[in-house]
Amino acid sequence: DGGITQSPKYLFRKEGQNVTLSCEQNLNHDAMYWYRQDPGQGLRLIYYSQIVNDFQKGDIAEGYSVSREKKESFPLTVTSAQKNPTAFYLCASSSASSGRVEQFFGPGTRLTVL
Amino acid sequence: AQSVSQHNHHVILSEAASLELGCNYSYGGTVNLFWYVQYPGQHLLLLLKYFSGDPLVKGIKGFEAEFIKSKFSFNLRKPSVQWSDTAEYFCAVIQNNNDMRFGAGTRLTVKP
Repeated sequence: DGGITQSPKYLFRKEGQNVTLSCEQNLNHDAMYWYRQDPGQGLRLIYYSQIVNDFQKGDIAEGYSVSREKKESFPLTVTSAQKNPTAFYLCASSSASSGRVEQFFGPGTRLTVL
Repeated sequence: AQSVSQHNHHVILSEAASLELGCNYSYGGTVNLFWYVQYPGQHLLLLLKYFSGDPLVKGIKGFEAEFIKSKFSFNLRKPSVQWSDTAEYFCAVIQNNNDMRFGAGTRLTVKP
């Protein structure tokens, strides 16, 4: 059963703590992405990775970090430097990094900072 | 700056009404266009996509979209909506093989 899994579904964090969101895919996709979804703002790109051990900043990378040590996994760390971390985070993947390819999305993680 | 505009933030329709959701993008060049749907509590799901060829694209669940290059538009349509179409709809654009850009989304509420 191919797809993208994100865990946990809901996450609560105290201010000042770092937290890592998991994203795993078994679609054999090269490219993976992290988006942040806020009401009325659509999806904004945080980071993306075209291949293993390589990643680039998106539009709103400040306060976030990622790693891509394995093709299947692209974890996102929300650091204490992120000013407004409460949001819905979506992970996606695609077979290539650009052009005529659609992105497939995971179910998302809702992060709440208390 | 690249941008994707969805002018309708919230649309409310009765069942069997026709639907048209607007999507405009601000740049030229080669574009690949997408509509995604997010049902309550669900993944984003691809409804349809346009890469080239016939500008009228048919997707899943009875949706279609028309690419009008001169108007930089890719509006989503459905002749007769159902209560189960209640969801949020996102237009997305890849221009010149760059990043995918999303519109702000349109929330559709269909009243039974």
